[in-house]
Order: sequence, then structure tokens, then C-alpha cells
Amino acid sequence: DTGVSQNPRHKITKRGQNVTFRCDPISEHNRLYWYRQTLGQGPEFLTYFQNEAQLEKSRLLSDRFSAERPKGSFSTLEIQRTEQGDSAMYLCASGGTTDTQYFGPGTRLTVL
Amino acid sequence: EDQVTQSPEALRLQEGESSSLNCSYTVSGLRGLFWYRQDPGKGPEFLFTLYSAGEEKEKERLKATLTKKESFLHITAPKPEDSATYLCAVQARAGNNRKLIWGLGTSLAVNP
Repeated sequence: DTGVSQNPRHKITKRGQNVTFRCDPISEHNRLYWYRQTLGQGPEFLTYFQNEAQLEKSRLLSDRFSAERPKGSFSTLEIQRTEQGDSAMYLCASGGTTDTQYFGPGTRLTVL
Repeated sequence: EDQVTQSPEALRLQEGESSSLNCSYTVSGLRGLFWYRQDPGKGPEFLFTLYSAGEEKEKERLKATLTKKESFLHITAPKPEDSATYLCAVQARAGNNRKLIWGLGTSLAVNP
């Protein structure tokens, strides 16, 4: 069990650029979640995958955000035409047969 | 609407001074309540899952308890390394996605 990994750990981009983050879940976990967290707030749910199927997407997520999980393994989260309000920590979590979610270290996005 | 409220927002203790953190919740059928620890710039680290009123879980200096309306995280004789933000989250019974609904956290500082 190597835990959940996320790359990159930090990303600085200019407004209007596209960015992509990667998450590698715990290998036997079929559930994968993306959350976003801003300073002083709890994580906010973005989207959920069971295996390769994206089963739920938050209404708070604009059309600029898209996520994929090809073959039910790693997942990517892409943000197009970034805005300063997208600056946050993006967290990935995975879960298996129990209800517990295990989190990665996060990707810190700064949009200038 | 499902909601989680944590108190206090911040807590400063002297080493060895025991205290409790509160997490009150409203949810349309509780599936589980979760406690996580989060250090600055890192992802949440899983501590406990509680499922039913009266349940208790312990780990080192931490003990989590659950009632029908709230959960407490008791910290006995804390050490400076216990300094962190403690997050509480709930899962609703309805739906299969098991997404987490989070409180804002309690920021704990333990002075030597």
C-alpha cells in the first residue's frame, strides 16, 4: 500500500492557461474522488468515479473543469482557461470496500 | 440540507492540558462520521470512522465519540506534535457515492 499520490505538488500558472493534475489512487481502490480546498475551509466535493465511470459531478463545477479516469486506474483533472478564483488546493481521495477515503498530498494551484 | 459545524474554530492548549473538540451535524440519515487530521500544506490524514450513537474509537491520545447529533474528539495530555487542524466529515446514507460533507475544522495549537 503506497498511498494516494498526486502530481504536480505545486502549479503556478497565468490566468487563461490550461492546467492538468494527475492522481494515482491506492491500487485496489475502485472509488476515486476530487475535492477542492481553500484556506480556512473544509474540502469541497467536485466529482466522483467508480472504476472508470464518472457518476457524480458537483453543480458548483463549471464547464471549464473536466475529469477522466481511463481504465479505472489513475485520474486527471483539467481546468481550462484558469481564473484567479481557481487558486486552491486540489485533493484526490480513493476508497475501497469500506467507507473510508484516503487522501493524497494535494496539488496547490496558484493562478496569477 | 446536510451540514457539519465544528467548534471551537481555534484552540490553544498547554502541553498536557486535556480538552475536547466538537462536531455537530445534521444529515438525512447518517452513514458514517469521520475525523481527519490535516497539517499545513498537506492532505487530510484519516483518524477515525464512527457509525452509530454510543460508539467510541481510540488511538494514542485521541478518543472519538458519537451521539445522534454530535461527535467529540477528546485529546488527553496533548503534545506539541498534536498541533494541526482537525476536520470532521459526514456521509449521508442516501446515494451510493459516499461523498464527504465537511466542517471548517478546528485549528489546534499545543504549546510546550
